[in-house]
Amino acid sequence: GIQVEQSPPDLILQEGANSTLRCNFSDSVNNLQWFHQNPWGQLINLFYIPSGTKQNGRLSATTVATERYSLLYISSSQTTDSGVYFCAVERGYNFNKFYFGSGTKLNVKP
Amino acid sequence: EPEVTQTPSHQVTQMGQEVILRCVPISNHLYFYWYRQILGQKVEFLVSFYNNEISEKSEIFDDQFSVERPDGSNFTLKIRSTKLEDSAMYFCASGRGGLNPGELFFGEGSRLTVL
Repeated sequence: GIQVEQSPPDLILQEGANSTLRCNFSDSVNNLQWFHQNPWGQLINLFYIPSGTKQNGRLSATTVATERYSLLYISSSQTTDSGVYFCAVERGYNFNKFYFGSGTKLNVKP
Repeated sequence: EPEVTQTPSHQVTQMGQEVILRCVPISNHLYFYWYRQILGQKVEFLVSFYNNEISEKSEIFDDQFSVERPDGSNFTLKIRSTKLEDSAMYFCASGRGGLNPGELFFGEGSRLTVL
């Protein structure tokens, strides 16, 4: 399978601070998604970003597929951003499964 | 906006009992999946389903597990005889299809607690 490594594993921020989360993967992928897992355990789709850059409000993401990494940027963090952020990748063959990283646990303090 | 829905949101069961988790994928999607997450761990693939049959399954998906699409809208995961280690959050997901599933859309999860 594909190895997916996320860093840092834990991150504590003061409200209003910016952060960058990283996802490295060991093989070529055709699909990549970022998720936020909220305190209730729900997986919220943030970005579908197999390549390029996307922005959604205070969040943006960049994937450089040729170098096998993706970055998630959180600007002006809020306490509601707390939770675990997962990166998941998929090779893109028919039926293939997504491989998840271990996540970055973010705690935004007021 | 279309979404994947799962029921129940939480189920508590006794070891050895059968459990059925239900999912309604997005209506025009062709690929269906179950993933699970043991508390504090990463999300892991269980099984994928396409064209009314299992297309891939993980080592976790042993004979105690089965999936079914009994009609045009539901997708179910059955655990025949639950064990303590089956306690986890189970996520259903669906994808559009085409050359590859593309973006996966996940449901909110069903938390299973086995006592």
